[in-house]
Amino acid sequence: QKEVEQDPGPLSVPEGAIVSLNCTYSNSAFQYFMWYRQYSRKGPELLMYTYSSGNKEDGRFTAQVDKSSKYISLFIRDSQPSDSATYLCAMLRGGADGLTFGKGTHLIIQP
Amino acid sequence: ETGVTQSPTHLIKTRGQQVTLRCSSQSGHNTVSWYQQALGQGPQFIFQYYREEENGRGNFPPRFSGLQFPNYSSELNVNALELDDSALYLCASSLRRENIQYFGAGTRLSVL
Repeated sequence: QKEVEQDPGPLSVPEGAIVSLNCTYSNSAFQYFMWYRQYSRKGPELLMYTYSSGNKEDGRFTAQVDKSSKYISLFIRDSQPSDSATYLCAMLRGGADGLTFGKGTHLIIQP
Repeated sequence: ETGVTQSPTHLIKTRGQQVTLRCSSQSGHNTVSWYQQALGQGPQFIFQYYREEENGRGNFPPRFSGLQFPNYSSELNVNALELDDSALYLCASSLRRENIQYFGAGTRLSVL
């Protein structure tokens, strides 16, 4: 079992829809949770950063962390064609540690 | 733009050769991490440098090595290249006391 599981998709939704992206993880030591967006042939771009359980909102994006269920989510409201990209969840234990990524979900927003 | 720059953008090498990739961290950031991203996969952590010393390492063999310089820029060296080393290599910089990593655009390495 991989430490972080993420459905690779593709996930195709119409423009304006609410998108829900999810990851599950197995290591309870993870404390920091991030969502990155990656366009084709580009580096990952940080979208959301949360520490421990709870919700965080930034514009059209909402990140949720449920540590008891080892489950994190990213919601995108009023989705736009420019949101079409691969979305990577990432987690960190802390200290001298690298990020552990999911496989990424390929999202397509249909105009 | 994150301010993290990587060079070169693309590189083609043959099996058995050695390669050096370079990264300039975002201004003020003192920690650099390197990742390997194979096609269709999430990035995999190679190692992290802080104060010019390796400060954490993922599951990569010793032929993957690195350096960090006093200005916090960094190099990734890979010896005895294998076909499976073909990937996008990403550099990320951060502040040691924070845990937010910002990525460069990457170097795409092809091993033939």
